[in-house]
Amino acid sequence: DVKVTQSSRYLVKRTGEKVFLECVQDMDHENMFWYRQDPGLGLRLIYFSYDVKMKEKGDIPEGYSVSREKKERFSLILESASTNQTSMYLCASTTRAGENQPQHFGDGTRLSIL
Amino acid sequence: GQSLEQPSEVTAVEGAIVQINCTYQTSGFYGLSWYQQHDGGAPTFLSYNALDGLEETGRFSSFLSRSDSYGYLLLQELQMKDSASYFCAPQDYIPTFGRGTSLIVHP
Repeated sequence: DVKVTQSSRYLVKRTGEKVFLECVQDMDHENMFWYRQDPGLGLRLIYFSYDVKMKEKGDIPEGYSVSREKKERFSLILESASTNQTSMYLCASTTRAGENQPQHFGDGTRLSIL
Repeated sequence: GQSLEQPSEVTAVEGAIVQINCTYQTSGFYGLSWYQQHDGGAPTFLSYNALDGLEETGRFSSFLSRSDSYGYLLLQELQMKDSASYFCAPQDYIPTFGRGTSLIVHP
């Protein structure tokens, strides 16, 4: 079974802090994704990566950056956290883009910015 | 442009059949996926339709009409544990998730 592990289930940070959310997958997947999920808004794509050191912006990249130095690890960085970034963050991975490639999700990180 | 429409909420009773509709508009299209997410949990993959027609997996079936840019998820013999959010996700190079449909199953 594919395992996608997010480093924290709950996280509380302060406004202005630099925040790192980590995600690791154990199935050698090429593609990794970061979403945020807010009530009534569904899942919105922040960034995705299709290879090591490669990244593409999703629908809502502002205020975020990402890092993929190793194939199994994809990090989401909040450069200067703000209260409107309080949300559930979900990481996902797939073998390759397109066609029938189910996304495998981690359990999520519930981030609160005070 | 891109758009995705599915009902925000559906309610039904145990044992009933419910259909969750999805209409989409995307620039590219490989197929339509469905995901289930229980409260506090991660989305999990349910089904994928690449071709027109009905795909059945146990109590769940998924349908696609590419010409109508339309699909649905059919849940039969509803159980309380089916109470969850359901997302349709048209698959281009990457999937697009919408706001999802909250299914509430009553005893």
